[in-house]
Amino acid sequence: GAVVSQHPSWVICKSGTSVKIECRSLDFQATTMFWYRQFPKQSLMLMATSNEGSKATYEQGVEKDKFLINHASLTLSTLTVTSAHPEDSSFYICSARVRWTEAFFGQGTRLTVV
Amino acid sequence: AQTVTQSQPEMSVQEAETVTLSCTYDTSENNYYLFWYKQPPSRQMILVIRQEAYKQQNATENRFSVNFQKAAKSFSLKISDSQLGDTAMYFCAFMKQETSYDKVIFGPGTSLSVIP
Repeated sequence: GAVVSQHPSWVICKSGTSVKIECRSLDFQATTMFWYRQFPKQSLMLMATSNEGSKATYEQGVEKDKFLINHASLTLSTLTVTSAHPEDSSFYICSARVRWTEAFFGQGTRLTVV
Repeated sequence: AQTVTQSQPEMSVQEAETVTLSCTYDTSENNYYLFWYKQPPSRQMILVIRQEAYKQQNATENRFSVNFQKAAKSFSLKISDSQLGDTAMYFCAFMKQETSYDKVIFGPGTSLSVIP
């Protein structure tokens, strides 16, 4: 299947700083990318949907100024957690699609804010 | 809005035995996909099996098969000859088959333990 690479796999940052997570589709051009958040022992919660060249669509309750999403090309989307706080610590997963296919997932990023 | 329900938070099965994980969903859509994803301790999401709603035949992938009941909105996963490597969280998921913007909606998950 198609490969989605997410970087970094894990990151520790200080409270108040920003951290960027990259999501790349390695062997296909993704028309749409999705960002999920997963708490321990829970399901994946969709945060936002992004399409190349347009603004992301955020799910209800997700702060768009806190979680900045950029989808600059058909193979790259980034999630920036701004002014991170300990409650932002979580597992973040991206996925990518082309039309008429299922979603392919990155390996996830474990963010710890200290 | 679509919802996905998995009523079994945890299950266990003896190695080499068969286990069935349950999933129900609610939608008014006619064209959609259903999936089962596996998430092992590494937390990488792995697609186990996919079913297109317009297909009446149940999907199978080696030891994994589904029982898709469209009218009942039920989509169960059967794992035959369970192996230790099957130990993982299993998520049932739904996706409309309309545009490339359609998102995957996940159920709450079932934690499966395969006992040696």
